[in-house]
Amino acid sequence: EVQLVESGGGLVQPGGSLRLSCAASGFTFSRHDMHWVRQDTGDRLEWVSAIGAAGDTYYSGSVKGRFTISRENAKNSLFLQMDRLSAADTAVYYCVRVGSNAFDMWGRGTMVTVSS
Amino acid sequence: QSVLTQPPSVSAAPGQKVTISCSGSSSNIGNNYVSWYQQLPGTAPKLLIFDNNKRPSGIPDRFSGSKSGTSATLDITGLQTGDEADYYCATWDNSLSVGVFGGGTKLTVL
Repeated sequence: EVQLVESGGGLVQPGGSLRLSCAASGFTFSRHDMHWVRQDTGDRLEWVSAIGAAGDTYYSGSVKGRFTISRENAKNSLFLQMDRLSAADTAVYYCVRVGSNAFDMWGRGTMVTVSS
Repeated sequence: QSVLTQPPSVSAAPGQKVTISCSGSSSNIGNNYVSWYQQLPGTAPKLLIFDNNKRPSGIPDRFSGSKSGTSATLDITGLQTGDEADYYCATWDNSLSVGVFGGGTKLTVL
């Protein structure tokens, strides 16, 4: 079964850090571009970051310089290191696979709450 | 403010048809494939349409997509109460090198 399972979310104070992980299974992880997409409390979907199968990385303007995406193909894992967090980063974070030029597989998401 | 513009809500009666629009620019929709997603309450988004007008396996042909210039549309025919959900369009923006989503459209089946 093709599956993406996120972990690492939680409550963090403003200015703090979190590292999200995504465990992939059921497909050849190394062949796919992978993305992080978040959904805020108003249900708006926002693209966050991407890492290509070749390791090229991309970031939204709102997280560039604070977030770092990475992958470990040997462990079928995707990561998002989030630093200098603010309330605006509060959201559900989804790990997403790209297939056929689209986000064809989504995890269930992990909640990140930034609050004092 | 989302890069892609969708109507906040649409509604229609069971059995009827709705069209959801998604407007962008030449740097995103105009030069890239558009995809559409359905998000039922409490669940993750699910791919409905890819490459502007193709359906993944298991998506009924009541759902169809099209693109013209810098706009795309999602049509849903034969509406069912189970279609009540939020619908999002998405694509890549070449000038910003970022993924972009529409603001989402809430479908109500009256």
